[in-house]
Amino acid sequence: DIVMTQSPDSLAVSLGERATINCRSSQSVLYSPDNHYYLAWYQQKPGQSPKLLIYWAFTRESGVPDRFSGSGSGTDFTLTISSLQAEDVAVYYCQQYYDIPWTFGQGTKVEIK
Amino acid sequence: EVQLLESGGDLVQPGGSLRLSCAASGFIFGNYAMSWVRQAPGKGLEWVSYIRGGGAVTHYADSVRGRFTFSRDNSKNTMYLHMNNLGADDTAVYYCAKCASSYGNDAFDVWGRGTLVTVSS
Repeated sequence: DIVMTQSPDSLAVSLGERATINCRSSQSVLYSPDNHYYLAWYQQKPGQSPKLLIYWAFTRESGVPDRFSGSGSGTDFTLTISSLQAEDVAVYYCQQYYDIPWTFGQGTKVEIK
Repeated sequence: EVQLLESGGDLVQPGGSLRLSCAASGFIFGNYAMSWVRQAPGKGLEWVSYIRGGGAVTHYADSVRGRFTFSRDNSKNTMYLHMNNLGADDTAVYYCAKCASSYGNDAFDVWGRGTLVTVSS
C-alpha cells in the first residue's frame, strides 16, 4: 500500500498569513503515460463532509478560492493557503488515487493563531 | 445540483449486518465510478470500496474484503453497501463519494453528508 504522510499534524497561522501543509507518498504517484500525479487535497470543516480542493496535484477544483494552491514533484507535495481566512479553519487531507487501496494522509489541522 | 444522500446507518451489535444506501441526483449516475469512504470518530479518512460506473468491477480495502459488498442500481441512481460480520472497528461515519470519472482513478469530487454506523453491544 502507498503510505501518505502529512506534516505537520497541526499548525496555527495568523489571519492573512501563509499556511503550508506537506504530504509525502511512500512511492511515486506519477503515471507516466499521462504525466499526471494522482494526488488530491481535501478540506474538511468541523461537522462537515470532505470537500475536494485540488486534483492532479496542481489543479484547483471549480469554485475553490485561488488562495489555495498545490505544488510538488516526485513524492513530495504541498498545499499552500496564501492568505489564511477564518473560514479556512479545517482539517486538510492529501490522498493518492494512483493505486488501490487509495490512501489518505492522517490529516493536518489548521487553526487561527 | 449534484447531490449524494446516504441512509441506513444504525446501532448494530457485533457480528451483525447492515445495508447502507446512497441516492444520487443531478448527474448521470451510471457514467461515474463511486466509492465509500469512512471516518471513525475523531479519526481520519479511510477508503473502503469502489465500484465502476457499469457496476461490473469492484475493489475493497483489506479491512472489509469478504465482509462488505458494494453494488449499484443505475436505474434507481442508487448504490448500496452490504456489511456483514460487523465489529467495533467498523464504527464510523460512512460517506459515499463520486469519482470524477467512470473508471475511478480520479479524485472524489462530490461527497455525501455521511451516515453513522455504530457497532456496540
